[in-house]
Amino acid sequence: DSGVTQTPKHLITATGQRVTLRCSPRSGDLSVYWYQQSLDQGLQFLIQYYNGEERAKGNILERFSAQQFPDLHSELNLSSLELGDSALYFCASSIRQDLTPGLAGGRTYEQYFGPGTRLTVT
Amino acid sequence: TQLLEQSPQFLSIQEGENLTVYCNSSSVFSSLQWYRQEPGEGPVLLVTVVTGGEVKKLKRLTFQFGDARKDSSLHITAAQPGDTGLYLCAGPANFGNEKLTFGTGTRLTIIP
Repeated sequence: DSGVTQTPKHLITATGQRVTLRCSPRSGDLSVYWYQQSLDQGLQFLIQYYNGEERAKGNILERFSAQQFPDLHSELNLSSLELGDSALYFCASSIRQDLTPGLAGGRTYEQYFGPGTRLTVT
Repeated sequence: TQLLEQSPQFLSIQEGENLTVYCNSSSVFSSLQWYRQEPGEGPVLLVTVVTGGEVKKLKRLTFQFGDARKDSSLHITAAQPGDTGLYLCAGPANFGNEKLTFGTGTRLTIIP
């Protein structure tokens, strides 16, 4: 158990609808990341929030949006759903870990993933 | 954009055999991580390698970071069916950047 929770586990909806996916990070983690993984595809980074602020954006469609709340949980909103949006959606959390002093620019950002939400659009 | 290419893309071997999978880039990474993902589940962090030439062992799994910090390998000794899964390498998109770039993945199947 990574300590990251996601709800719901499964979601089936129709084209054109809107859904909200929820993620609670590990206790103490300030960063939340959202990923999309389609069948036989790798992990596609969507967006990152750090302590309530948007930190980085990836290949996120304009129909998708996210936010991170004061209690650090995050929600990913998907609207005007299309068949191609069917996928596994993962969130991950991390806390910055500084490397041994002396290694220039070196930090690790190990990410801990939730179990995912499987979205099926029919 | 720093890209991570993994090879082979698919690997199917008999239980008890040894195997090595690779993660390569033309860019230097400050660190690289390896994850294993089982079907329908989230990736699970296995290890982080930080120093060029570093070798880390996790039971039957041996991870190595290239001297130039551009590549990494994962060697599994005496593979078991429980090793089946998608193996992903990942590294910071840029130095000091929290966003990770994930590799293309190696889908490993161990046949009992």
